[in-house]
Amino acid sequence: ILNVEQSPQSLHVQEGDSTNFTCSFPSSNFYALHWYRWETAKSPEALFVMTLNGDEKKKGRISATLNTKEGYSYLYIKGSQPEDSATYLCAFLSSNTGKLIFGQGTTLQVKP
Amino acid sequence: EPEVTQTPSHQVTQMGQEVILRCVPISNHLYFYWYRQILGQKVEFLVSFYNNEISEKSEIFDDQFSVERPDGSNFTLKIRSTKLEDSAMYFCASGKSTAMNTEAFFGQGTRLTVV
Repeated sequence: ILNVEQSPQSLHVQEGDSTNFTCSFPSSNFYALHWYRWETAKSPEALFVMTLNGDEKKKGRISATLNTKEGYSYLYIKGSQPEDSATYLCAFLSSNTGKLIFGQGTTLQVKP
Repeated sequence: EPEVTQTPSHQVTQMGQEVILRCVPISNHLYFYWYRQILGQKVEFLVSFYNNEISEKSEIFDDQFSVERPDGSNFTLKIRSTKLEDSAMYFCASGKSTAMNTEAFFGQGTRLTVV
C-alpha cells in the first residue's frame, strides 16, 4: 500500500514567521511529487510538480525541495502572510500508475 | 483563466437514490479524474479517464460508480445507489497530459450528503 504522510497536521504561526513542513513518500518507483495549495471553499491549486532528485522549485515566497532517495519533500514559506493560510497537500505519483496518492495535508494558519 | 467547474456545489440525497455529479473540465485537456475526500480523511483517487475510456480506477470505484463524457465537454460521475458512506466532497480534475508531466487542475468540489 502506497502511503504518503505529511507533518505537522496543523501549524499556527505569526505573520512574518518563516515555516516549513514535510511530505514523506515511498522512495521506490518514484515518478513525481506534486504540491497543492487548498484554500477553504476553493479548489486545490497546483504549486509545484517535482520530478528530479535534488530539485528545488520556487514561486514567490514559497519554495520546495525534493529528496527521492530518502522519500521526502519540504515546503518552505518565507515571511508568512495571512493570505498563506490554507491546507497544503502533497501527492505522490509512482512510475507505474497515473493516479496521485495524497497526503492528509498540513493546515497552516497565519495570524496577523 | 480557464477553470474546472463542478455542479452542484452541494447535493443532498436519500440513501439508495442515484446521483450524478457534473464537471466541465478545461477545454483543451485530455485527462480527467475524480477524487473524493471524506470529512477528516485524505483525498482519495477514484478514477482516471482518457480517450473516452477508464484508464485506471481504485478499489473504491465499484459497480455502483460509473463515469461518462456524454457530449465532449461534460464529465460526469454517477453513483447508482448511494450509501451513507458515500458522503464526501467529490473533486473533478483535468490535465493536459498525464499527472506524470503536469499538474492536475481541480474543480471546487461537490459536497455530497447521503441521508
